[in-house]
Amino acid sequence: EAGVTQFPSHSVIEKGQTVTLRCDPISGHDNLYWYRRVMGKEIKFLLHFVKESKQDESGMPNNRFLAERTGGTYSTLKVQPAELEDSGVYFCASSPSSGGDVAKNIQYFGAGTRLSVL
Amino acid sequence: ELKVEQNPLFLSMQEGKNYTIYCNYSTTSDRLYWYRQDPGKSLESLFVLLSNGAVKQEGRLMASLDTKARLSTLHITAAVHDLSATYFCAVDMNNNAGNMLTFGGGTRLMVKP
Repeated sequence: EAGVTQFPSHSVIEKGQTVTLRCDPISGHDNLYWYRRVMGKEIKFLLHFVKESKQDESGMPNNRFLAERTGGTYSTLKVQPAELEDSGVYFCASSPSSGGDVAKNIQYFGAGTRLSVL
Repeated sequence: ELKVEQNPLFLSMQEGKNYTIYCNYSTTSDRLYWYRQDPGKSLESLFVLLSNGAVKQEGRLMASLDTKARLSTLHITAAVHDLSATYFCAVDMNNNAGNMLTFGGGTRLMVKP
């Protein structure tokens, strides 16, 4: 079974440019999450999709960040325009609907996209 | 606001030695996760601890949870080089499905031959 895949693995852009990150969750997983780790800090939650709907976007830093999950499959996270402080590693994770089985609440992570804004 | 603190943040140890990583959290939660990350790789789930007193073991790693003390430990027994990685604990505040995780800062473990 394929895991969570993220593309690109690394992106270097200049301040003011636009970047779009993509996440393909594990097939059949309704829950999709975005997290970010800024250098030297903890991994922080950004938002959570259930299928195509945004369940919780309380962690999104500002309106320069736009996440979509059209059709409830893959998701994109667009940063426009990028600022220096947006640099970090962006992780995507997915989990199935638990149906009450707590063991299904485990989130499976991708390898992340390292974003460098110069 | 839930806070999760791990210590130490960096640990260098000799092969064959034992050590413990600590994870404290600030708000009641009955579900705690331990993940491992190798450089450039995804976070790999190691353990899910669901109740007070839970203990799980896999190879040289053993994790435990004390919900009253709001403390989880990850104990390493007779470390080997292959255990070198960054270890994260993470907590979610709700027993429902699909909750955000709050992570500790990670412990970078280096096991020297």
